[in-house]
Amino acid sequence: DTAVSQTPKYLVTQMGNDKSIKCEQNLGHDTMYWYKQDSKKFLKIMFSYNNKELIINETVPNRFSPKSPDKAHLNLHINSLELGDSAVYFCASSRQEWGALETQYFGPGTRLLVL
Amino acid sequence: AQSVTQPDIHITVSEGASLELRCNYSYGATPYLFWYVQSPGQGLQLLLKYFSGDTLVQGIKGFEAEFKRSQSSFNLRKPSVHWSDAAEYFCAVVIHSSASKIIFGSGTRLSIRP
Repeated sequence: DTAVSQTPKYLVTQMGNDKSIKCEQNLGHDTMYWYKQDSKKFLKIMFSYNNKELIINETVPNRFSPKSPDKAHLNLHINSLELGDSAVYFCASSRQEWGALETQYFGPGTRLLVL
Repeated sequence: AQSVTQPDIHITVSEGASLELRCNYSYGATPYLFWYVQSPGQGLQLLLKYFSGDTLVQGIKGFEAEFKRSQSSFNLRKPSVHWSDAAEYFCAVVIHSSASKIIFGSGTRLSIRP
């Protein structure tokens, strides 16, 4: 069974479109994250949710809106896609107890290409 | 500003040879330190972490890392690499004053020569 899953795996779209990436974890974790990995492999946190509540928002443009319908899901919706949004987006989850000190479990990534 | 630096962008070693990947952090106190591995096309997986205590930490897949306070380093080592170790390796820190987010280094790509 996949612990952290993301859909779709690949996403190719035109500038200006709106798209969503879904993430689900079956580990029973309370905390979920979205990361962006650019073409140089630099990995940066975007959002962190704890029990459906936003904990971290790292100065991400308003075009990015995370949604957590329940603690097992954290979806990422992106409005008005721009060329610079092209990247690999990773979802991750962890237990809540020690926050960022907990081991994070990553999904396989969604490769977004904006044309 | 607090940061974590991986000075080597790409390293190639022969299969069976030893490996050391470098990681340096910039922070006044001892941070919490991690090594993650990203296999091609995959998400990251935790190899090991250091919080306190014994400065030599054992991880999965035969990896170990040593925390050296005097050098602000947390280098990853493996005595004998296997072809399956080819991957991207990320050092990461969580600083004490704000255990709310993890900061990743820029990564080191490891290639294995047959």
